[in-house]
This record gives sequence, C-alpha cells and structure tokens, in this order.
Amino acid sequence: DAGVIQSPRHEVTEMGQEVTLRCKPISGHNSLFWYRQTMMRGLELLIYFNNNVPIDDSGMPEDRFSAKMPNASFSTLKIQPSEPRDSAVYFCASWEGTNEQFFGPGTRLTVL
Amino acid sequence: GESVGLHLPTLSVQEGDNSIINCAYSNSASDYFIWYKQESGKGPQFIIDIRSNMDKRQGQRVTVLLNKTVKHLSLQIAATQPGDSAVYFCAENKAGPHSSGSARQLTFGSGTQLTVLP
Repeated sequence: DAGVIQSPRHEVTEMGQEVTLRCKPISGHNSLFWYRQTMMRGLELLIYFNNNVPIDDSGMPEDRFSAKMPNASFSTLKIQPSEPRDSAVYFCASWEGTNEQFFGPGTRLTVL
Repeated sequence: GESVGLHLPTLSVQEGDNSIINCAYSNSASDYFIWYKQESGKGPQFIIDIRSNMDKRQGQRVTVLLNKTVKHLSLQIAATQPGDSAVYFCAENKAGPHSSGSARQLTFGSGTQLTVLP
C-alpha cells in the first residue's frame, strides 16, 4: 500500500493566484481529513469527509478555502485567491473506521 | 518585528536513557487518545493509542499511560535512540456529529520536541 498520496509536495505561488492541493486516500478508507500546520497555530483540522460527504468544515478559515471529494479516491483543497498568511504545510489524512488516522507527507505551500 | 510561534516544549535525553513525554488534554468526555511522531519534513506517524477504559498500554519500546482523573497522558520511550528524535504529538478524539459511522475528529496538542544526544 502506497499510503496517503499528496501532490504537489511543494508549491510556491504569488499572492492572488489560485492554489489546488490534491490527495489520494488509502484505498478502502471512508474518511478523509485536511489539516494545516503552522508554527503559530500548530496542527489544525480544516475539514473532513465521511463517505465523500463533507461533515464538518468549521475549521476552514474563510471563503477563500474550499474542499471537494468527488469520489472515494480523490480530494482537493483549493485556495482562491491565495494570500501570504496561507503559507503552511497542508496534510491530508485518511481513516478506515477504527483506530488511527494515516497522514500523507504534506504539501508545503509558500505564497509570496 | 519578531514573529512569535508556539512555545514547543523540548526534551533532551542521552541515547539509551528512557524518555517521558507528557500531555494534558482538555475534554473529560474524550474516549480515545493517540500519540503521533513527526520527523522533520514528514507527516505525523502513528505510535500508539489507548482507549479511555484503559490506563496503560504497551507497544514496542513505548508505553502510554492515561490518568483520567487529572486528564493527563504520557508517552514513555525505553532505551531512546537517535532515530527517536522528532516532535511528538498527543491527540484526543472527539466523535463526529453523525450517530453512525462518524469519523474521528482528533484535537492535537502543540507537540514536544525530543532530541536524543549521543
């Protein structure tokens, strides 16, 4: 099993540009989580899906952030327009319904 | 001006010694706790978990202790090795709003930086 796959691993963009982060969960896992990690705020849950349905998006910072899960094997987190304060490492994690969440390697986003 | 980040507790131990990392959690109704290890440039990796009906659980070189009375969790690493150097996070579970098949919402602590000295 390849584990949770995220792309790109690094993204550098300019303020105002649209950014799309991608995640492929572990096959068979029915829940998917998006987290953001910064020095200021630590690891924060942004949104999670259960069976492709968004369950709780209360952690999404503002309307510039949106997330979709069109099928069980793919999810995107989009920021439009991006701002320098969005610079962080974004993690995707998946869960099969019992114990721990499995994290991907993360996408390091830098917004100039 | 200087930016202010999280004050990350640090722990330095000699190689071969035992390490104890502590964590206080907030929700007395939490029923599941988990320790993750995060190495530089990588995502958090599961170490060990414990449910609230237990007070101790052992894994390979690791032990987690749970004290529900004072809402305290600890991770003990035996014979600490250089490869154990990382940030360690505790997390507590909050069940999702759906009654069945709800996903686990984990709330993470700020983490502890463990450095193993040669």
